[in-house]
Amino acid sequence: GAVVSQHPSRVICKSGTSVKIECRSLDFQATTMFWYRQFPKKSLMLMATSNEGSKATYEQGVEKDKFLINHASLTLSTLTVTSAHPEDSSFYICSAVGQNYGYTFGSGTRLTVV
Amino acid sequence: GENVEQHPSTLSVQEGDSAVIKCTYSDSASNYFPWYKQELGKRPQLIIDIRSNVGEKKDQRIAVTLNKTAKHFSLHITETQPEDSAVYFCAASRSGYGQNFVFGPGTRLSVLP
Repeated sequence: GAVVSQHPSRVICKSGTSVKIECRSLDFQATTMFWYRQFPKKSLMLMATSNEGSKATYEQGVEKDKFLINHASLTLSTLTVTSAHPEDSSFYICSAVGQNYGYTFGSGTRLTVV
Repeated sequence: GENVEQHPSTLSVQEGDSAVIKCTYSDSASNYFPWYKQELGKRPQLIIDIRSNVGEKKDQRIAVTLNKTAKHFSLHITETQPEDSAVYFCAASRSGYGQNFVFGPGTRLSVLP
């Protein structure tokens, strides 16, 4: 079956620094990847939709300059949280869609900004 | 845009009893409805899904029903076990390629031994 790998699984960073999260489809080509944010005990909230080779489409209220998304290849999308602040602490999770493969979630990244 | 509501937000049942979680959606163009189970700190796992051309689907102890006219769908878990304890999310989507899912707010299910 389809596998999506997400790294790192946990990261702690200092306020003001940037953190990059990678999402890879291991055995299929993902032309579309979605990035979600999940607060404790809350649902998955879509941040942006990333299509290979084009600019990401951000949801209303999501700062594109703060959450940089790059989908440079059919198997890799990255989310960079720039100038992180404690309020950016959250669980970030990607999902990928490819032809013949449905929606597959990555394992998630727990970001803690101190 | 699509809006998905889900009830109840928390549900406690005794082991062996049934659990039912209900969702409603607003976009009549949505035609794919998956259910995900998420354990703490882990990725959501697809447990069952249904398309709009089907009214009911069953997989062992899990079943999903869909009422397209009323725009609601439900998850039914029978003979619940402690390992069924998790957060369950419903979602709705237009099933076109690359379409995003809109998730419900989730239901925390606790199965008491």
